[in-house]
Amino acid sequence: SAVISQKPSRDICQRGTSLTIQCQVDSQVTMMFWYRQQPGQSLTLIATANQGSEATYESGFVIDKFPISRPNLTFSTLTVSNMSPEDSSIYLCSVKGRYYNEQFFGPGTRLTVL
Amino acid sequence: KNEVEQSPQNLTAQEGEFITINCSYSVGISALHWLQQHPGGGIVSLFMLSSGKKKHGRLIATINIQEKHSSLHITASHPRDSAVYICAVRLGNYGGSQGNLIFGKGTKLSVKP
Repeated sequence: SAVISQKPSRDICQRGTSLTIQCQVDSQVTMMFWYRQQPGQSLTLIATANQGSEATYESGFVIDKFPISRPNLTFSTLTVSNMSPEDSSIYLCSVKGRYYNEQFFGPGTRLTVL
Repeated sequence: KNEVEQSPQNLTAQEGEFITINCSYSVGISALHWLQQHPGGGIVSLFMLSSGKKKHGRLIATINIQEKHSSLHITASHPRDSAVYICAVRLGNYGGSQGNLIFGKGTKLSVKP
């Protein structure tokens, strides 16, 4: 299995500011994903982080709001830009495992925007 | 209608009780995942199923592909089982982004001592 760490684990931010969340995996993985879980809602895929190229964003999510970097096969960052209270959510990093259909999740970053 | 429906939304049980959480889906899938989310937000993968039944300790997961239904059972429940249990399906034709999962809203389980 893959062990995933995220930083920070939680943060409280002011409206209009930006926060960068880091995701580190203990092994090289081909596919990394960023999810959002708004209060009381199910997880929603924000984007697939691609190593060496621009991330692939899902409908409703744009690069200007959620810029993503993936400089290598073990690390990625998600930035939540120009935050508003509606961005208050848990943000989760996830990776595809080596075996078919396997997927692992990180511990999450709980973000509160005031 | 959501593509993945879970029931119940909330469940309170006494320690030692047998617990069942249900998941129904409306799309063709290649696999179904049961996940456990703790209060801090982190998610642990419990099972991945494409057919039949799997058992791990006190947890049992079953899936009926024809009926598009899966159940998660917890035997001899314990307060440490208190968490949100999430059902997620992977589309059979990888519709949308490759690797995308569709998640249910989760079942919040509370086991009282």
